[in-house]
Amino acid sequence: DIQMTQSPASLSASLGETVTIECRASEDIYNGLAWYQQKPGKSPQLLIYNANSLHTGVPSRFSGSGSGTQYSLKINSLQSEDVASYFCQQYYDYPQYTFGAGTKLELK
Amino acid sequence: QIQLVQSGPELKKPGESVKISCKASGYTFTDYAMHWVKQAPGKGLKWMGWINTYTGKPTYADDFKGRFVFSLEASASTANLQISNLKNEDTATYFCAREAINYGSYFDYWGQGVMVTVSS
Repeated sequence: DIQMTQSPASLSASLGETVTIECRASEDIYNGLAWYQQKPGKSPQLLIYNANSLHTGVPSRFSGSGSGTQYSLKINSLQSEDVASYFCQQYYDYPQYTFGAGTKLELK
Repeated sequence: QIQLVQSGPELKKPGESVKISCKASGYTFTDYAMHWVKQAPGKGLKWMGWINTYTGKPTYADDFKGRFVFSLEASASTANLQISNLKNEDTATYFCAREAINYGSYFDYWGQGVMVTVSS
């Protein structure tokens, strides 16, 4: 099974700052990667799919990049509503899917 | 609009069973696979498996083979998760999630989650 290592586990940033979250796969996942945002008490929401495609309705300050085994989520100009946990997920290894352990983003 | 509406919270004792539902609306139910995801309190997301909503065939992640059963009521556009012989470690929120494109893709719609508490 493909393992996903996500970093950092937690992150504190100021409003307006740029934030980057990383995910490393144990083998090449050929851009089969999604990013989700989960606010406390809510269900996860899709942000990015296919490593770099922005889901409908997601603000353009979110972007995804990467290839092979290394992927990242960048949030430009951090807003207060971005306080949440973020998870990566690989779906290349169908029918086995794996999530990263998550990153908790807080305001400094 | 597309919605996945799950059943309400459950409080169960160890050894009991629970069945939670996920009712889909706003799209053709049998066109999209349905997945189940576990989230223990304060923890991350763990993929449990999925069910082919056209054939009814379930696929379980290794950690969810045995006590977990995915089923359908296709005529009611509903997917179900049954957990038998509940253990304390089954205490978690369980989400259903629709797979955007069948056979290997991301989850574009999620249910609101069902909190299952197992306590004696």
